[in-house]
Amino acid sequence: EDQVTQSPEALRLQEGESSSLNCSYTVSGLRGLFWYRQDPGKGPEFLFTLYSAGEEKEKERLKATLTKKESFLHITAPKPEDSATYLCAVQGTGANSKLTFGKGITLSVRP
Amino acid sequence: KAGVTQTPRYLIKTRGQQVTLSCSPISGHRSVSWYQQTPGQGLQFLFEYFSETQRNKGNFPGRFSGRQFSNSRSEMNVSTLELGDSALYLCASSIAGTGLETQYFGPGTRLLVL
Repeated sequence: EDQVTQSPEALRLQEGESSSLNCSYTVSGLRGLFWYRQDPGKGPEFLFTLYSAGEEKEKERLKATLTKKESFLHITAPKPEDSATYLCAVQGTGANSKLTFGKGITLSVRP
Repeated sequence: KAGVTQTPRYLIKTRGQQVTLSCSPISGHRSVSWYQQTPGQGLQFLFEYFSETQRNKGNFPGRFSGRQFSNSRSEMNVSTLELGDSALYLCASSIAGTGLETQYFGPGTRLLVL
C-alpha cells in the first residue's frame, strides 16, 4: 500500500527565513507526486506535479524537488501570505491507482 | 473557467440521519473523486467516478456511496450518520481519468454530526 509521510507537522518561520518541507513516500512504481496548498476552510489548491527523480519545478518563492524516496518543497524568503497547510500526494502505476495524501505540514510565517 | 463547485457548503445533521452532497466538476472534466478530511486522519480517498461508473473505492463502510450523472456531476450519500462522520468532504475533478492527471478540488462541504 502506498504511504506518504510529511515532516515536520508544523513549522513556524520568520518572514524572509527560508526553509524546506519534507515528503517521504513509498509506492510500488511512481506515476507522479503532487504538491497542494490548503488555506483554512478551503479546498486544496494545486501547486506542482513531479514525475521522475531529479525533476524540479518552481513557482514564485516555491521550488519542488524529487528523489526516489522523497520530495522537498523549498520556500525561499517566505512572506506571511505563504502561511497555509502544504499537502503532498503520490499516485502509483497500478491500474486505476488513487492519490494517497500525507497529513500535511502547517506553515506559519510571522511578519 | 469556473472551478469545482460543491453544495451545500455547511451541513448539520444528527446521528442516524442520512445526507447527500453534490459536486459539479470543472467543465469538460469527466472524472470525479471524493475525499474525507479530518484533523486526525488527513485526506482519505472515498471513491472515484468516471463516465457514470465507480472506478475505484477506498476503505470506507458501505454507508458511504456515490453516483455520477451523464453530465459528470456527482453526488455522494452517507446513510445512518455517526458522530465520526463529521468532516470536510472534498470533491476533485480531472479531465479524463486516463492516467496521471492533476485533480482540482472544490471548496468542500463541512458536515457536522450531532
